[in-house]
Amino acid sequence: DVKVTQSSRYLVKRTGEKVFLECVQDMDHENMFWYRQDPGLGLRLIYFSYDVKMKEKGDIPEGYSVSREKKERFSLILESASTNQTSMYLCASSLDLYGYTFGSGTRLTVV
Amino acid sequence: KQEVTQIPAALSVPEGENLVLNCSFTDSAIYNLQWFRQDPGKGLTSLLLIQSSQREQTSGRLNASLDKSSGRSTLYIAASQPGDSATYLCAVNRDDKIIFGKGTRLHILP
Repeated sequence: DVKVTQSSRYLVKRTGEKVFLECVQDMDHENMFWYRQDPGLGLRLIYFSYDVKMKEKGDIPEGYSVSREKKERFSLILESASTNQTSMYLCASSLDLYGYTFGSGTRLTVV
Repeated sequence: KQEVTQIPAALSVPEGENLVLNCSFTDSAIYNLQWFRQDPGKGLTSLLLIQSSQREQTSGRLNASLDKSSGRSTLYIAASQPGDSATYLCAVNRDDKIIFGKGTRLHILP
């Protein structure tokens, strides 16, 4: 089975800190995605990548950036964390039309 | 713009009952549709994936159907159990991006 691993389940960071959320998949998937999930708003796409070194903005990219230096790793970066970025962050990967696999999520609290 | 709707937002049923969760989408030009389960505070677990050329998929007590022409999918859960309590999300895939519904929160009463 494809496994998508998010490095942290829970994180607490201070306002203004630079935050890195790491995601690694082990099945050579081309496509990787970062979502955030908030009550009442559902899942919203932040950034995605279809290949190494490639990145595309999703629906809510403001305040975030990403890095994909290797195929298996897709990092989400909060340049200067703010309280409105407190959320559940979910990473996913996919191979063409074979469906998405999600990680277990990172609950980020910015204080 | 593709929109995915799941009604109801929440559902409570007694243990042992069969139940149906609904998902509708506005644009029938999809590659596939996927049903996920999410437990509180956890990530999403894929349950079933239906390609656009398929009508249904089955896994154990779960059966998902797809009617592209009417923009509808259903997830049928047979003989529900308390362990089925979770939020169920459907997502449609078009252009290699998926659009999620907001989910149905299911509670199975013991």
